[in-house]
Amino acid sequence: DSGVTQTPKHLITATGQRVTLRCSPRSGDLSVYWYQQSLDQGLQFLIHYYNGEERAKGNILERFSAQQFPDLHSELNLSSLELGDSALYFCASSVHSTGMNTEAFFGQGTRLTVV
Amino acid sequence: AQKITQTQPGMFVQEKEAVTLDCTYDTSDPSYGLFWYKQPSSGEMIFLIYQGSYDQQNATEGRYSLNFQKARKSANLVISASQLGDSAMYFCATGFQKLVFGTGTRLLVSP
Repeated sequence: DSGVTQTPKHLITATGQRVTLRCSPRSGDLSVYWYQQSLDQGLQFLIHYYNGEERAKGNILERFSAQQFPDLHSELNLSSLELGDSALYFCASSVHSTGMNTEAFFGQGTRLTVV
Repeated sequence: AQKITQTQPGMFVQEKEAVTLDCTYDTSDPSYGLFWYKQPSSGEMIFLIYQGSYDQQNATEGRYSLNFQKARKSANLVISASQLGDSAMYFCATGFQKLVFGTGTRLLVSP
């Protein structure tokens, strides 16, 4: 168990809908990272938050947004969903502010299926 | 920018044998880390081992060791005494602010 908790584990929704994925980092970790794993794109970095502030953005679509709350949990919001958004979405956490220096632990992922 | 290349789409190994999974990297960062992750069929990403670019010794974690050759820009994962439970996808990654992953190697361990 990595200590990073993601809910839900599975999500099936229709095109055009909006969903929220939730992540609780390991105790003591202030950084949360979101990644998307799809068959055609592989593992892609989406966004990084540190202690409530956005620190870096990757290949995140405008239809997607994220935030980190004062209790350090993070949510990834996906809206106007398309079939191509079907993927495994991972959250990872780290104690460091500037990057995943020496250790980076991932949650179990949320498998999103858009039908 | 960083790039990870894993040239072995699939590898087969017999139980109890050692196996090496290849990884080459390209980065312009003066200081960087190299990571290996295991992804079983259940989907979770399991952190295996980390190597810092300035670490003098190759990293080891139990049956996993990282064969780090900085001049060749390679960071191969060596799994000793393979077990059936080692069958999974293995990803090499590098990065600092974010991780850049390779395409992975599927390892199949046979009895």
